[in-house]
Parts: sequence; C-alpha cells; structure tokens
Amino acid sequence: DQQVKQNSPSLSVQEGRISILNCDYTNSMFDYFLWYKKYPAEGPTFLISISSIKDKNEDGRFTVFLNKSAKHLSLHIVPSQPGDSAVYFCAASAGSNYKLTFGKGTLLTVNP
Amino acid sequence: DAGVTQSPTHLIKTRGQQVTLRCSPKSGHDTVSWYQQALGQGPQFIFQYYEEEERQRGNFPDRFSGHQFPNYSSELNVNALLLGDSALYLCASSLGQGWETQYFGPGTRLLVL
Repeated sequence: DQQVKQNSPSLSVQEGRISILNCDYTNSMFDYFLWYKKYPAEGPTFLISISSIKDKNEDGRFTVFLNKSAKHLSLHIVPSQPGDSAVYFCAASAGSNYKLTFGKGTLLTVNP
Repeated sequence: DAGVTQSPTHLIKTRGQQVTLRCSPKSGHDTVSWYQQALGQGPQFIFQYYEEEERQRGNFPDRFSGHQFPNYSSELNVNALLLGDSALYLCASSLGQGWETQYFGPGTRLLVL
C-alpha cells in the first residue's frame, strides 16, 4: 500500500525552463509534506516543505504547491539548472507521528 | 562539523548472518531515525530513537532492532538476514522532531548473498 506516489520515474528538461515534479498521496491524515533531493552516493537533502494549512510555499527557485482536495502536491523549479539534476523524493508525515513516508522518487535531468 | 556519518559504507553478508550498522549523528542532534531504501524505491522508515528509547517503529519485523547510546550515536542490528534485506540503509539525525533539521547520512550499502 503506497501512500505517497510519484508516478513519473524520470523527467528531462532544458536548462532555464521550468521543472514540475508531481506527488500524490492517499492518507488524509498527512498534514506535513517535504521534498528531498538526492545525489548519487549521498543521503537525501531537505529542500522545501509545506504544512497542510497552506497551499503554497516558496524558497528562491523552488515552490511547492499543495492541493488538499486532490491530495496532490507539486514542486516547481524555475529556472532549472544542470546542478538540479538529481532524484527528488516527496515525503509526508501525519500529526505527531514521528515517521516520514516517502515516494519512490523522480529522476530529474536538466540538460545544458 | 562532519554531519551524519555511517559505517561501514559497504557490507556483504550471507543469508542467516547478523549485521550491525552504525551511525553518528550531526553535532547537537539528539534524535536518530533509520530507513531502508531498496533499489528503485523510496526510503522506508524502520524506527526512530530519542533519549535512548525507540520512539516509533515502522512495518519491519523484530529481526530489525536498534540501540541509541548516551552520546546519541545509534546502531541498527538485523538478525537472520534474508536476500530481501539487501538495500541502502540510511540514518538521519535531527533535533527533536524538526523535519527541516533532519540530515541524512550517505548510507550503508548491504548486500545479502
């Protein structure tokens, strides 16, 4: 039972264009969502988060949008840079639950 | 600051053996979580330790056990290894439950033959 789904295993975009990574969830108890970036041979690195009381959070080139009714969130990267090439994981937590539930990840490739 | 360190980096074991993985948290962090990442999958939560006690556990059998020491470092033990235990084991440390402060180590790659 996969509660956090990233249905696109990979995404390829041109440098300077927008990258949109999508994530769907099924557990309505999730109230906090995070995006992590992972380079090969490194652990995931926290990128940006959003609480369920918001529908948008922005940090520089990165914006996360949350649509609670659709149980969907997306990460926008504008403009995309070659250094953004990595695997991006969507993760979620529920209330005082201490565990994070991750999606399978999306490999983003930004071509120069 | 060395960040989160894990040892060993790679490990090969055979079915039925036991393995111990180690994690040193980032300086100042008091909470350690362990995750298993199988090939092509996202990390799966195993358990979390805080104040030397297991605070929460994911859907993993009792073969998976852990320990946290007074200096906040942690060990993950897996008994009676199965082929399916082959994975990258990630340790993450944080200050309390602050998700934004959670730092992951590079992981230990375990191969069970």
